[in-house]
Amino acid sequence: DAKTTQPPSMDCAEGRAANLPCNHSTISGNEYVYWYRQIHSQGPQYIIHGLKNNETNEMASLIITEDRKSSTLILPHATLRDTAVYYCIVGVSRNDYKLSFGAGTTVTVRA
Amino acid sequence: NAGVMQNPRHLVRRRGQEARLRCSPMKGHSHVYWYRQLPEEGLKFMVYLQKENIIDESGMPKERFSAEFPKEGPSILRIQQVVRGDSAAYFCASSPTSGGQETQYFGPGTRLLVL
Repeated sequence: DAKTTQPPSMDCAEGRAANLPCNHSTISGNEYVYWYRQIHSQGPQYIIHGLKNNETNEMASLIITEDRKSSTLILPHATLRDTAVYYCIVGVSRNDYKLSFGAGTTVTVRA
Repeated sequence: NAGVMQNPRHLVRRRGQEARLRCSPMKGHSHVYWYRQLPEEGLKFMVYLQKENIIDESGMPKERFSAEFPKEGPSILRIQQVVRGDSAAYFCASSPTSGGQETQYFGPGTRLLVL
């Protein structure tokens, strides 16, 4: 019962922006969009989250469409260390502690 | 400012043995979550604990698995009589307050291999 759909993999050139799409067509009005990533052999790392406005932090930007049915995570200047599996998750902030990870998108940054 | 610590990082057990996985949350964090990642799959929630209390164990198998978070010391995930299907990476996360997905900080995981 997947709540998000992501492409299984994508390549990106080092120094270029990486745009990672996510579909969440059944998202509810009070659900947030979260992004985590998991670098090989490490635990997941929180990246960013948003409700309906675009968000930016030191790691990435999150663009959410007006109908909220899809979003894009943007890594502005990908480096080799950004190679990881990226997970898009929807949930209710503060009250929903059960993170539900799907297969994610395997991003490979190439020199 | 140490992060979430887990040990051992790798654990090998034979079928029927017990596995004990330890998790020390970040300083000041009193909420612990355990997740399991089976090979080629995403992480799945297992259990949520606060100090001395199990809040939600809905994701944990009913038999052979137990978890605790004592007043002193690390949180322990215990698997009795392990089977090959228990081979997985087990991740612990901690947070300073209840819920709030963005505030869960993960440890490096324990990779359990059952022979």
